[in-house]
Amino acid sequence: SAVISQKPSRDICQRGTSLTIQCQVDSQVTMMFWYRQQPGQSLTLIATANQGSEATYESGFVIDKFPISRPNLTFSTLTVSNMSPEDSSIYLCSVDLSYNEQFFGPGTRLTVL
Amino acid sequence: AQKVTQAQTEISVVEKEDVTLDCVYETRDTTYYLFWYKQPPSGELVFLIRRNSFDEQNEISGRYSWNFQKSTSSFNFTITASQVVDSAVYFCALSGLSGYSTLTFGKGTMLLVSP
Repeated sequence: SAVISQKPSRDICQRGTSLTIQCQVDSQVTMMFWYRQQPGQSLTLIATANQGSEATYESGFVIDKFPISRPNLTFSTLTVSNMSPEDSSIYLCSVDLSYNEQFFGPGTRLTVL
Repeated sequence: AQKVTQAQTEISVVEKEDVTLDCVYETRDTTYYLFWYKQPPSGELVFLIRRNSFDEQNEISGRYSWNFQKSTSSFNFTITASQVVDSAVYFCALSGLSGYSTLTFGKGTMLLVSP
């Protein structure tokens, strides 16, 4: 497995502001993923982040709203831009260690007022 | 398109009861992976098992067991002698076998084990 950390663990933000979530892994990984889990719901993939290339976004998610950086093989950030209460969710990063074996970070609980 | 159905939204049992969580999947892939994850109240997602479609053998790990039935597209999860610490939301998920495929999650089953 891998040790995955996320910062912040939780935050309360005002409408219209942006928050950047960091994901750090203790080993080099090719693929990192960002998921959103809205209250009481399942996980939905936002985007796949491959080091050195643009992130690939799923239907319904756009780069302007959720810009992602992947500067190296152990780190990624997800920014939630121009937030609204509908963005209140848990945001989780995950890494694929060995072909379809995904491990998840502890999540960032975001509340937007 | 891939789809995972967990028909049980919430299950309540008393400690020491056995409980089975159902998972039915749909995929056009001939080869794929199936997963179970546990999400306790703290929110992190804990990997429990990965099973590839080639291997239909049932698996047992302590109090946990998994029954994979390709003929019915099901991958059910049984907890024997449940404990309060088993209380969590359990997600079944599916991915393709080729390369780094993304996960498709079911809606989850909330398990509440009372003392």
